[in-house]
Amino acid sequence: DTGVSQDPRHKITKRGQNVTFRCDPISEHNRLYWYRQTLGQGPEFLTYFQNEAQLEKSRLLSDRFSAERPKGSFSTLEIQRTEQGDSAMYLCASSSHRPASGRAGSANEQFFGPGTRLTVL
Amino acid sequence: AQSVTQLDSHVSVSEGTPVLLRCNYSSSYSPSLFWYVQHPNKGLQLLLKYTSAATLVKGINGFEAEFKKSETSFHLTKPSAHMSDAAEYFCVVSLSYNQGGKLIFGQGTELSVKP
Repeated sequence: DTGVSQDPRHKITKRGQNVTFRCDPISEHNRLYWYRQTLGQGPEFLTYFQNEAQLEKSRLLSDRFSAERPKGSFSTLEIQRTEQGDSAMYLCASSSHRPASGRAGSANEQFFGPGTRLTVL
Repeated sequence: AQSVTQLDSHVSVSEGTPVLLRCNYSSSYSPSLFWYVQHPNKGLQLLLKYTSAATLVKGINGFEAEFKKSETSFHLTKPSAHMSDAAEYFCVVSLSYNQGGKLIFGQGTELSVKP
């Protein structure tokens, strides 16, 4: 258990429905990331927050996707009008603001949640 | 641009024999590199990370990786495979913290361990 939790773990929905996922990061981590992993592929970056500010969105994040982190703690990812191509594992990760060891400005370790597996019928 | 290429989509070894999972990276500056493992129906777990402190990096469960700048490689090794090592392994390069720190994953290597 990394300390990052996601809810629900599994979601089955019909095409056209809206779904919302939640991620609770490690409490002192100021950065929160969303990734998507399709079958047989590595995870792909979707978006990230520093505190409550959404600082970057991937081109993978179509206008049907929206993410929030209202108080800089938990985050939600909503998909509107789901399509079968949205079926995937949605992963959340968090990282600390403290500088990583080894080199100033180097990347910090990201701690991943168990993921939410979405199936769109 | 940052990227990683995992050279094998699937590796099969016998229990007790060495493991080698290969990864090449591309980076315009000194990279931060990671290996993550994903067991079936479980989350991603960090095995080890390279952030320029030492070229030979030791991780959990007996895994280690060596950063070779001349070969742009970051191969993962373990002297003796255990049945519990069977999983998907991802080589990962990261943007710097100041650039957002997002992770770029390779396609993954599935490791099978035969008894």
